[in-house]
Amino acid sequence: GAVVSQHPSRVICKSGTSVKIECRSLDFQATTMFWYRQFPKQSLMLMATSNEGSKATYEQGVEKDKFLINHASLTLSTLTVTSAHPEDSSFYICSASGQNDYEQYFGPGTRLTVT
Amino acid sequence: GQNIDQPTEMTATEGAIVQINCTYQTSGFNGLFWYQQHAGEAPTFLSYNVLDGLEEKGRFSSFLSRSKGYSYLLLKELQMKDSASYLCAVLDSNYQLIWGAGTKLIIKP
Repeated sequence: GAVVSQHPSRVICKSGTSVKIECRSLDFQATTMFWYRQFPKQSLMLMATSNEGSKATYEQGVEKDKFLINHASLTLSTLTVTSAHPEDSSFYICSASGQNDYEQYFGPGTRLTVT
Repeated sequence: GQNIDQPTEMTATEGAIVQINCTYQTSGFNGLFWYQQHAGEAPTFLSYNVLDGLEEKGRFSSFLSRSKGYSYLLLKELQMKDSASYLCAVLDSNYQLIWGAGTKLIIKP
């Protein structure tokens, strides 16, 4: 149980374009979803936390207008990287937790390369 | 501020035992997680401790001392596939996960 999928697993886009990453909880209701970014050889950096049906809470230093997060249902959250630049190239990982469950179940991650 | 410390890198030999330490200073405590992360992959759950003591799960064990703000992950009978980063994370008073930087474990034959 507690499977989280992420799509796409890899994406290459041109600078200035937007990319949408989907995160789905397949067998449970994810009341909270988290979006992380990880640069090579560095630890996870939490970007934002989203609860179903409400606006995401962004961490300090993360531009909410650049990284649009939508958590429209209990099984789906999306992260859209708008006007992507090469410095946005990174490994983006989502995780999800159910109600009263503080363990985070991670998706497999999306490797974004902006050329 | 909130802080979690763990060694950056450790090396061990196949078949041996290794202990990865984690110390934390957080605003409140609602449990400590250990995750394993292979290069290029997402983290996978290893253990969760909320009470003091040792939790054993196969070759992996995790220990917690809340009074000392200290935990360790013990890996026995090391295998080459255990080469990975091991992340310590603490659930603070707001139930937010505070992540350590991770310990890269290198297993040598």
